[in-house]
Amino acid sequence: NAGVTQTPKFHILKTGQSMTLQCAQDMNHGYMSWYRQDPGMGLRLIYYSAAAGTTDKEVPNGYNVSRLNTEDFPLRLVSAAPSQTSVYLCASSYPLAGGLKYNEQFFGPGTRLTVL
Amino acid sequence: DAKTTQPTSMDCAEGRAANLPCNHSTISGNEYVYWYRQIHSQGPQYIIHGLKNNETNEMASLIITEDRKSSTLILPHATLRDTAVYYCIVRAYRDNYGQNFVFGPGTRLSVLP
Repeated sequence: NAGVTQTPKFHILKTGQSMTLQCAQDMNHGYMSWYRQDPGMGLRLIYYSAAAGTTDKEVPNGYNVSRLNTEDFPLRLVSAAPSQTSVYLCASSYPLAGGLKYNEQFFGPGTRLTVL
Repeated sequence: DAKTTQPTSMDCAEGRAANLPCNHSTISGNEYVYWYRQIHSQGPQYIIHGLKNNETNEMASLIITEDRKSSTLILPHATLRDTAVYYCIVRAYRDNYGQNFVFGPGTRLSVLP
């Protein structure tokens, strides 16, 4: 298994441009999420999806996602702003089932995005 | 979910045990303690978790105090590859909705040769 993969690894955008960050997993995980990581700040949740066909957001502005199938969870920056300069991390996990009281999140290597 | 407090940074000599503390004084009865680590330029990686009993796996040991207000992650023989940021997270059991973890700044562990 490749696990969680993300592309591209690095990218530079100009303010106002749009871009889609790709995330895919081959572990048949139902749950996927996007975090952003800023220096010294830990990780902040942006969007998540409990299953194909469903999404929900934590941070409302400037991002969109889609979950058309189980494997892919792309994150779109609609009109990039310098405040969106960050490392973006995608994660996936099994949905919790009856009797299973914890779950491990699997993370991709991240996309380092700079908005000028 | 309960808040955690960790030292900003720690050093450890290679081959020695690394003991990383975490305070979670507001932890409630149904909350688990999780540890993840993040090596430079990689995504976070799960290490271990526990509820009230001490736990051990191939990577580390987790010692949780009897009152559950603090815990210690132990890497028994630290190597240079253990240099990373270590995150302590306290989180309740959840159903399908809201499986996400809150990662604070963590502890930056430097293993020195």
